[in-house]
Amino acid sequence: AQKVTQAQTEISVVEKEDVTLDCVYETRDTTYYLFWYKQPPSGELVFLIRRNSFDEQNEISGRYSWNFQKSTSSFNFTITASQVVDSAVYFCALYNNAGNMLTFGGGTRLMVKP
Amino acid sequence: NAGVMQNPRHLVRRRGQEARLRCSPMKGHSHVYWYRQLPEEGLKFMVYLQKENIIDESGMPKERFSAEFPKEGPSILRIQQVVRGDSAAYFCALRLANYNEQFFGPGTRLTVL
Repeated sequence: AQKVTQAQTEISVVEKEDVTLDCVYETRDTTYYLFWYKQPPSGELVFLIRRNSFDEQNEISGRYSWNFQKSTSSFNFTITASQVVDSAVYFCALYNNAGNMLTFGGGTRLMVKP
Repeated sequence: NAGVMQNPRHLVRRRGQEARLRCSPMKGHSHVYWYRQLPEEGLKFMVYLQKENIIDESGMPKERFSAEFPKEGPSILRIQQVVRGDSAAYFCALRLANYNEQFFGPGTRLTVL
């Protein structure tokens, strides 16, 4: 069975602070895919990034960066110089081909205060 | 929302009524997933359909819930005899062939009074 754990249920930071959202996953599969989605207050789900299990290269995209470490089964997400518009719930998710589905973590609510 | 439309966006039903939620992926997309998000929780998989076929319904409650994706027309998630516990946001997602990203529609927020 697959499992995704986001231990931080809620994080509050002041604008311009850096913030890291943690994600730990469990799977028996050797091939799998990890995702981050953002759910702003309006409620829609916005795809942010996908990572393959065979690609541990970390990525930076503007103020966003991701740290994938297979050895610790973690896929953490960092926002640099946070902004109020980053306030949202962030979900980490896991997909494997056999599972036919995304398994989501419980989400981390990020509040960025001015 | 990558070409996934859902309607209605908000639906209010009284206990015992039926709810029909529609998902219209962009033409040519045949892989549709339904997820449910209970208040203050993450999304939970319900069912995966390809055109005219249910591939995986392991997340769907055995009673009162059904889903279809006919050859023509939208995918429908049907909830019969709704109860208060069915109040949630229901999201439809499509998966592009040969990719594993799932792109979500805006969701339908069901409220059962």
